[in-house]
Amino acid sequence: SAVISQKPSRDICQRGTSLTIQCQVDSQVTMMFWYRQQPGQSLTLIATANQGSEATYESGFVIDKFPISRPNLTFSTLTVSNMSPEDSSIYLCSAEEGMNTEAFFGQGTRLTVV
Amino acid sequence: DAKTTQPTSMDCAEGRAANLPCNHSTISGNEYVYWYRQIHSQGPQYIIHGLKNNETNEMASLIITEDRKSSTLILPHATLRDTAVYYCIVRDSNYQLIWGAGTKLIIKP
Repeated sequence: SAVISQKPSRDICQRGTSLTIQCQVDSQVTMMFWYRQQPGQSLTLIATANQGSEATYESGFVIDKFPISRPNLTFSTLTVSNMSPEDSSIYLCSAEEGMNTEAFFGQGTRLTVV
Repeated sequence: DAKTTQPTSMDCAEGRAANLPCNHSTISGNEYVYWYRQIHSQGPQYIIHGLKNNETNEMASLIITEDRKSSTLILPHATLRDTAVYYCIVRDSNYQLIWGAGTKLIIKP
C-alpha cells in the first residue's frame, strides 16, 4: 500500500495570503486527488491532479483559487490562494495506483485563516 | 449526491462484532463498493472493497447481497480504537469516489 506524506500538517494563515500544501507518495501512482473537509462534514473533491497537464476541477472549484501542480507520478501540490476565513478547513491528498484499486490518504493539512 | 445510504450512528460493545449496513440500490454491475473509516483528526483509512463476492482481510469482512443492492461491513471483535466514522462508497460516472455522511460508530467498554 502507498504511504502519503502531506506537509504542513497544520497552519494558521493571514487572510489574503496563499499557502501551498505538498503531497509526496512513496511509490508511483496513476491518480492523485485533492479533497476538502470542513468541520463535521464529509469529504468534498476539489480536483484530480493530472501528471503533465492541467488539473480537472470539480464544480465550485477553480484553478485561480486552487492551483494544482503534479510534476511527476509521486508528487503534487495544492495552493490555496488569497485566503479568507471560509477557506479554514482540512485539506487532504489522496492517491490511487490504478483502476478499481483502493485510495490512500495523507493525514491532512488543517488550515485556519484569521 | 451520495449513492449510498448508511445509518447516522451506531453503538457496539467492546469485544462484540460490529455490523455496519449500507444500501447502494442504484449500483451498476461493474461498480465496486469501498469502505473507509476516519478516526478523529486523521485522514481516511481504507478498510476493504468488493464487487460481488464476500471479502475478508485482516481488518474486516464485507458481505455483499446477491442483488448487490446492499452490503454489511463486519468488524469481528470491536475495540475502543475502532470508534470512527465509517464510509460506504461507490464511484460516480467520472470514476470519483462519492463520500456521504457515513456512520459514526461508537465502541463502548
